[in-house]
Amino acid sequence: SQKIEQNSEALNIQEGKTATLTCNYTNYSPAYLQWYRQDPGRGPVFLLLIRENEKEKRKERLKVTFDTTLKQSLFHITASQPADSATYLCALGQYGNKLVFGAGTILRVKS
Amino acid sequence: DAGVIQSPRHEVTEMGQEVTLRCKPISGHNSLFWYRQTMMRGLELLIYFNNNVPIDDSGMPEDRFSAKMPNASFSTLKIQPSEPRDSAVYFCASSFGQETQYFGPGTRLLVL
Repeated sequence: SQKIEQNSEALNIQEGKTATLTCNYTNYSPAYLQWYRQDPGRGPVFLLLIRENEKEKRKERLKVTFDTTLKQSLFHITASQPADSATYLCALGQYGNKLVFGAGTILRVKS
Repeated sequence: DAGVIQSPRHEVTEMGQEVTLRCKPISGHNSLFWYRQTMMRGLELLIYFNNNVPIDDSGMPEDRFSAKMPNASFSTLKIQPSEPRDSAVYFCASSFGQETQYFGPGTRLLVL
């Protein structure tokens, strides 16, 4: 069955450093991959989408890579800030089909 | 522009009672999703609709759960009878084309 793995342990980093979150998957061939941010008591918020034929995507301080050979996506936040502290979810999808979400990784940025 | 609207935001009920959760998707979106989130199981898709038609309800836990979408601007998720293990946060999300999903604030359900 499909399996999506994200860092189970919380990631603690110092303000100004680059945070790197990992999303690995098995038994799945997604057409695209998305990253969402979720703050406590709120619904997930879409951040970035990357398609299977794209290697890398950037948006401001965010960068996502997608390696379909390794079956892995990396999500980077450069110059991290305490306001970036949240849970980050990766989600895999195929056109015309539903998204499958990972369990999420908690990021804590300390000043 | 209003996002996805869910009501109620919090619901506390007793085991055996009927619970109805409501969702108003973003105007113009043609897909609607109901999710359940718990610490143990994460974010699980229960059911999704495309153009008001249920497409995949394989995530609905059992017959106690039902969902309807009578029109493009309204959907309900009903649990009858409710059980303590149904306690979770229920999210509704909508999208245009099923890619980027916009989530509502969620309904926090506690079944005693």
